[in-house]
Order: sequence, then C-alpha cells, then structure tokens
Amino acid sequence: NAGVTQTPKFQVLKTGQSMTLQCAQDMNHEYMSWYRQDPGMGLRLIHYSVGAGITDQGEVPNGYNVSRSTTEDFPLRLLSAAPSQTSVYFCASSHRTVAKNIQYFGAGTRLSVL
Amino acid sequence: GESVGLHLPTLSVQEGDNSIINCAYSNSASDYFIWYKQESGKGPQFIIDIRSNMDKRQGQRVTVLLNKTVKHLSLQIAATQPGDSAVYFCAEEDSGTYKYIFGTGTRLKVLA
Repeated sequence: NAGVTQTPKFQVLKTGQSMTLQCAQDMNHEYMSWYRQDPGMGLRLIHYSVGAGITDQGEVPNGYNVSRSTTEDFPLRLLSAAPSQTSVYFCASSHRTVAKNIQYFGAGTRLSVL
Repeated sequence: GESVGLHLPTLSVQEGDNSIINCAYSNSASDYFIWYKQESGKGPQFIIDIRSNMDKRQGQRVTVLLNKTVKHLSLQIAATQPGDSAVYFCAEEDSGTYKYIFGTGTRLKVLA
C-alpha cells in the first residue's frame, strides 16, 4: 500500500535555483494539499486542490506554484529558492465527504536552501 | 535528528495518568475539527475528529471536546503510554473554502 509518496526525501538547493517537489497518491483522493513545517510554527498550508484542474492558495502561497493535471499527482514548484524556504514539506490527500475530511500524509521532503 | 518542534509547548505526564491537550481556534466558520499525532521524522497521522454539531466524541482511549462558545478544542488521552509520546496538532476546516488549517502543536512527553 503506497498511500502518499513524496520525492525526494532530502534536497539541498542554492539560493535562486528552482525545483519541483513531487507528490503522488494511489487512493483516488480528490483533495490534495501541500504544507510546510518550520520549528515552532506547526504546519502551514501552502496550496490545496479539491480536484483535477482546480487549485487554490493557502496561508503561505508566495514563492510556490502548483498544478493538478491528474487526480494522482500534485507537484509543488519552487520558482527561485530562498533561505526562508528551508523547511520540511508535507503533501497530503483525502477523500472529502460531507461528514469527514481525514488527510493522509506523505513522509515529507526536507529542503535546505543555502 | 528531528529539528521540527523545538519550540513547541511541552506537556509532561506520568505513564498511566490522563493527558489533556488544548487547542484554540480562531475561525468562526470552521465546522470540522481534527486531531493528528506526529512522531519524530514522520508525517501527521489522524487520531479523532468532531463536527461542530457535536461537543464530545470518544474513540479508543481518546476523547475530543469542542466548546464553540470560546472556540476551544481539547484532546484527552486516558492511561497515557510511552507510545503516546509525540507532537499533537489540532486542525480545523472551513467547509465554505475547504481550507484545512493546523494549530501550532503540543509536544507530549510520557515519563516512566
């Protein structure tokens, strides 16, 4: 059971470089989201998607782009990496119903920007 | 080692005692609330949830209480065990925007 798969697990970037964090889920979930987790800050919502072709901004969207061309994949793009983007990034997916929206998380990507 | 959560508030409890973790939320439009547990080096895992039309919900060894008047949520863990040591987060969802927002978190340490 793969669940939510994030790649890479670790990444080091130089300031100004761009890269894409990959997220894939095999549970046919329509809802997917990206969070960053900094020490003492909990998880902050970057972008989310309620279905293929639909994305929306979360609490901290600046410096990040997303797209949702398929149900399975929800990549997060860093356009020009900055040291402030050093963080642990988590992707999550869920099957949202009227009663529930339990998110399943990947193992995270640890990103350092030098 | 795990660097996330160095500055989180910490609750220390003796093994076998009950734990109560509190959370305040700010969005009056939130109508769904969830507790997650995060162990070191892993992503958060679902524990229990509650909708705004309820004020209490029980699971196995866990109970969630919701006070909408003061926008307060709590997680009670009965007979706390060493395996309960982790960081606990509350989350809220606004069913109008589908935004799912997490609280800061509390680190639970279980003392033997």
